[in-house]
Amino acid sequence: RKEVEQDPGPFNVPEGATVAFNCTYSNSASQSFFWYRQDCRKEPKLLMSVYSSGNEDGRFTAQLNRASQYISLLIRDSKLSDSATYLCVVKRANSGYALNFGKGTSLLVTP
Amino acid sequence: NAGVTQTPKFQVLKTGQSMTLQCAQDMNHNSMYWYRQDPGMGLRLIYYSASEGTTDKGEVPNGYNVSRLNKREFSLRLESAAPSQTSVYFCASSEAPVREAFFGQGTRLTVV
Repeated sequence: RKEVEQDPGPFNVPEGATVAFNCTYSNSASQSFFWYRQDCRKEPKLLMSVYSSGNEDGRFTAQLNRASQYISLLIRDSKLSDSATYLCVVKRANSGYALNFGKGTSLLVTP
Repeated sequence: NAGVTQTPKFQVLKTGQSMTLQCAQDMNHNSMYWYRQDPGMGLRLIYYSASEGTTDKGEVPNGYNVSRLNKREFSLRLESAAPSQTSVYFCASSEAPVREAFFGQGTRLTVV
């Protein structure tokens, strides 16, 4: 079983919609949590870190539930420019704190 | 502000050829990583270097070797390329356990 699981989608939503992505992780030793965004044929880039208390950055809200080993990302008022693949990422103490990636969830925002 | 720089960006190899992918970061990060990304598989860790002078295997190390040349540079070598190594390779670096990693632009490698 892969350590980080995501629904691959694709999610096709109209502009202005709210969309939520979910992610589960299997290793309770995971220490840090992130959402990365990856555009087609580009490198992954940090969208936001995920904190235990939940956090918001503009239209984006991330939540972490350590008890259920579950992470979520909510995007409000979707823009065309939000179209990308969203990667759920966890980091744990071994493996030199390397990032462990989910396979990504594809989002397409349509006019 | 270069960040993480990878070379080359594109490469085509014949089966059995060798090559080295270069990676350098200018952010004074301790940890560096090599990942490969394949369709439907996500990013998988090949090797990592937690600090200068140390390297360790990741999830998919077979067929690869690495060298942490100094704090800035971390290279990935394919000694005898195979078609199964056709992939996009990303180098990344990170400062602290709870901080994010920064990625290079990737190397698109095709082995024929």
